[in-house]
Amino acid sequence: DAKTTQPPSMDCAEGRAANLPCNHSTISGNEYVYWYRQIHSQGPQYIIHGLKNNETNEMASLIITEDRKSSTLILPHATLRDTAVYYCIVRVDIPGRRALTFGSGTRLQVQP
Amino acid sequence: DTEVTQTPKHLVMGMTNKKSLKCEQHMGHRAMYWYKQKAKKPPELMFVYSYEKLSINESVPSRFSPECPNSSLLNLHLHALQPEDSALYLCASSQEADYYEQYFGPGTRLTVT
Repeated sequence: DAKTTQPPSMDCAEGRAANLPCNHSTISGNEYVYWYRQIHSQGPQYIIHGLKNNETNEMASLIITEDRKSSTLILPHATLRDTAVYYCIVRVDIPGRRALTFGSGTRLQVQP
Repeated sequence: DTEVTQTPKHLVMGMTNKKSLKCEQHMGHRAMYWYKQKAKKPPELMFVYSYEKLSINESVPSRFSPECPNSSLLNLHLHALQPEDSALYLCASSQEADYYEQYFGPGTRLTVT
């Protein structure tokens, strides 16, 4: 399985962009990068995913380096409600074994 | 409706009890999942059901017994649990087992005494 490495914690000021890095240097060519977050006392929430190209949706942007060995999740204008644990996940691409394996994640604290 | 519901929210059970956790979704999803999450740890996959058939069992002890009676409902039957089984049990669903986006329920907080 491609493993991911994330900083254990980060702080961000409210209203500023939060840039959360993830290293996945052993990723295979057909493995997708997913981001989920888990707000305290809730189930995880899907944010975004990508393969090679940068992706954007209403929640965030995902920037994947050209060699695909790392990625950055960008929350453009962080709010207090974005305080959560953010998980970067590489989905194993084996037929019948495609499942999400959560790593330890980054605890993002948005400061007022 | 993009909601996955789980009942009960909290459960306390003794080591000799038999109890069940319930999960329900009405999004027409054909894949459903059970995860276990210990305090301050990431969720760990336990089981995957695809089209009401068990497709992945992550070597979970037999004291945990999943059941998928229909495409909307997923149960987890618990028997003879140990205190170390105390955790948050999360249910999730997705359109297909290989689909990107999983929707998670709020979880059942289980305490085994």
